[in-house]
Order: sequence, then C-alpha cells, then structure tokens
Amino acid sequence: AQRVTQPEKLLSVFKGAPVELKCNYSYSGSPELFWYVQYSRQRLQLLLRHISRESIKGFTADLNKGETSFHLKKPFAQEEDSAMYYCALQGGSEKLVFGKGTKLTVNP
Amino acid sequence: NAGVTQTPKFQVLKTGQSMTLQCAQDMNHNSMYWYRQDPGMGLRLIYYSASEGTTDKGEVPNGYNVSRLNKREFSLRLESAAPSQTSVYFCASSLSSNQPQHFGDGTRLSIL
Repeated sequence: AQRVTQPEKLLSVFKGAPVELKCNYSYSGSPELFWYVQYSRQRLQLLLRHISRESIKGFTADLNKGETSFHLKKPFAQEEDSAMYYCALQGGSEKLVFGKGTKLTVNP
Repeated sequence: NAGVTQTPKFQVLKTGQSMTLQCAQDMNHNSMYWYRQDPGMGLRLIYYSASEGTTDKGEVPNGYNVSRLNKREFSLRLESAAPSQTSVYFCASSLSSNQPQHFGDGTRLSIL
C-alpha cells in the first residue's frame, strides 16, 4: 500500500533561516514523488516533482530511496514561503496519495 | 486557459439539503478527481474518474455521488447534507492518472 507521512503538522522558522519539510513514504516499487504548495486561501499548485530535478522558488527535494524520504529544503526561507505544503506519491499506475500536510510559517 | 473551474466558491446548506458541486476543466485532461480538505486531515480523495465514462470510489466516498458528464465536467453531489460534510472541496484533473494534478480554487461548504 502507498502511504505518505509528513511528521510535522506545523513548522516555524525565521526569515533567512534554512528550512526542511520532511516527507517519508511507503511503497514497494519505484515511486514518483511530488511537492504541492497551497498559499493562503489559494488552490494547490505543483511545486516540484522528483523526476525533473528542478529548483523552484529556491526549493529542492532529493529522493532518498534508502531512507524512503523526499524532504523539501530551502537554504534561506522568505516570508512569502509561508504556506501549506503537501508531499504526494504516485506508484505505478495508481492515483496520487497525499500526506496530511505541513504548515510552514516564516517569521520576520 | 482557465484550467480547472469550480462552482460555487461558497455555499451554506441546512442539514438534509442536497447540493451539486460543479467542476470543469479546459485542458483536455482524461482524469478528474474530487477531494475534501479538513484541518489536520490533509487532502482525502472522495471519488475519481480515470477517464470519461468511468468513476471509482476514493478514500471517503460515503454520502457522495459523482457524475462524469463528459470529458470536461465532473460533478459531486451531496444527496442529504450532514454537518460532517462541512469542508473545503477541491476538484483536480490530470492528463492521465499517473500525471501531476491541476487543482481548482475550491468550494467552501458549510452545513448547519
């Protein structure tokens, strides 16, 4: 069964500090992993997916198959990064499974 | 392109009333989804439609029905609304079921 765990419901950092949002997954095959972001009262948007290996808005995420993790990182957080972040997994032809989300607050 | 459009944006219902949430996408996507978003619960899949003409239950289908009217439109119906269905409902679509999903703005539904 596919499962995504985001252990932190809330994460608070100061502007300019590094931030890491944790995501662990459970899946027996080769997963596709995504990070979605939802700014206050807006729609969810795809932030990045692991296969594209991009850096979006300064965020990166590396798939670690040994640790079954896909943590989202940014070296210097900005106030506009405050949002709800969802990690999601897709295994094979199965539909997307979301974690419960982490609310990031970046304080001035 | 409007992407995924949901109507209405807000709705207040009384317990027992019925309601249909509308969703349309203009991206020629094959797959469409309905989620509910509740504090501390994340996004939970209610129903999805992998392709036109098919619908399947998700994680929390009880109390809901769906109709894939055509390739563009996927509606969610509450036959007899209950306070436990107070939530924010999101519709999403994707080119196929294993592609990234695009979301609508959501419908805030309150049931008194």
